[in-house]
Amino acid sequence: DSGVTQTPKHLITATGQRVTLRCSPRSGDLSVYWYQQSLDQGLQFLIQYYNGEERAKGNILERFSAQQFPDLHSELNLSSLELGDSALYFCASSVDPTSSNGYTFGSGTRLTVV
Amino acid sequence: GQNIDQPTEMTATEGAIVQINCTYQTSGFNGLFWYQQHAGEAPTFLSYNVLDGLEEKGRFSSFLSRSKGYSYLLLKELQMKDSASYLCASHGFQKLVFGTGTRLLVSP
Repeated sequence: DSGVTQTPKHLITATGQRVTLRCSPRSGDLSVYWYQQSLDQGLQFLIQYYNGEERAKGNILERFSAQQFPDLHSELNLSSLELGDSALYFCASSVDPTSSNGYTFGSGTRLTVV
Repeated sequence: GQNIDQPTEMTATEGAIVQINCTYQTSGFNGLFWYQQHAGEAPTFLSYNVLDGLEEKGRFSSFLSRSKGYSYLLLKELQMKDSASYLCASHGFQKLVFGTGTRLLVSP
């Protein structure tokens, strides 16, 4: 157990639907990051939050949004889902954005859009 | 911007040594990470280099040359359980950007 908790582990939904993925960071970590990993693809950086504020954005689609709450948990909202959104979505956390200990990853949410 | 290149796949034999190379171009470079990822699982942290040189950690070592934008991960005394993807990631402007990973297959 890495200390980063992601729910749900698996999600199957239809095209056009909306889903919410949840992440609880490791205790003491203030930064949360979201990554998307499609089949045989690398980890694509989506967005980063630090202590409730958005700090960096990657190639995140406009249909996707995220936020970090006062208790530091984060949610990634995916709407108007398309088949191509099927992927593993990882959340990671670190003490701060410059952490030399790297990021600790959760076990991921496997999203299947049918 | 950030661009990272590493080989797609490598094979090696149990007990051997393998070197996985990574080249990067990163604005605001702040360090180079290596992660291990087994299929369908979360990436796990292996090493971090911010200064030039070699960092050794048991069977794994990582090297960085900032001037050349180059790093490698060295795995010694390979074991079957080392079969996994190895991800090079560069840190810059508060973002950790990953390469597509090198799939290492270790055979008996």
